[in-house]
Amino acid sequence: DVKVTQSSRYLVKRTGEKVFLECVQDMDHENMFWYRQDPGLGLRLIYFSYDVKMKEKGDIPEGYSVSREKKERFSLILESASTNQTSMYLCASRGTPLIWELFFGEGSRLTVL
Amino acid sequence: TQLLEQSPQFLSIQEGENLTVYCNSSSVFSSLQWYRQEPGEGPVLLVTVVTGGEVKKLKRLTFQFGDARKDSSLHITAAQPGDTGLYLCAGGHPAGNQFYFGTGTSLTVIP
Repeated sequence: DVKVTQSSRYLVKRTGEKVFLECVQDMDHENMFWYRQDPGLGLRLIYFSYDVKMKEKGDIPEGYSVSREKKERFSLILESASTNQTSMYLCASRGTPLIWELFFGEGSRLTVL
Repeated sequence: TQLLEQSPQFLSIQEGENLTVYCNSSSVFSSLQWYRQEPGEGPVLLVTVVTGGEVKKLKRLTFQFGDARKDSSLHITAAQPGDTGLYLCAGGHPAGNQFYFGTGTSLTVIP
């Protein structure tokens, strides 16, 4: 069965802390995505990666960076967390260009105090 | 950014009622997807439509893609409590890994 696993379901951090959110998929998918979800705004793309060590900025990359050292793992990094980054973060993966379905993890709810 | 507006944003109905959710954009998309997200879970794909005017049925759910491929609707017949969740449309250009999500419709079906 398809599985996308996010390392932390709930995190509470302080302003200025460095935050790592990790995502692992077991489907050998090439494409991986990080979205943030806020009420009334839907899902907004932060970054995506189409191959190991390759990344592309999404619509809201400011304040975030990503790392993809292995095909199955895609990490989202907040170098210096701020309160406006309090949100639900969703990781997704997708297989070949012929497969249009996005497979999502359960989400990581981050609160920055 | 290509925006998709969903309406209504919130919907609370009694079990057995019918409902329609709309997803509108000024942009043309190669495909339109609908996802459902339950509390504490990630979104799960319900359907993908790719042809203008296309209609797909999934049990009590009927999905339609507009002729101009700018809008879509989701109709649920005889809603059940198990239909409760957040419904998200996503317009896409899959070849470019581009998926633009709508603002979401939160549906509550009361037993």
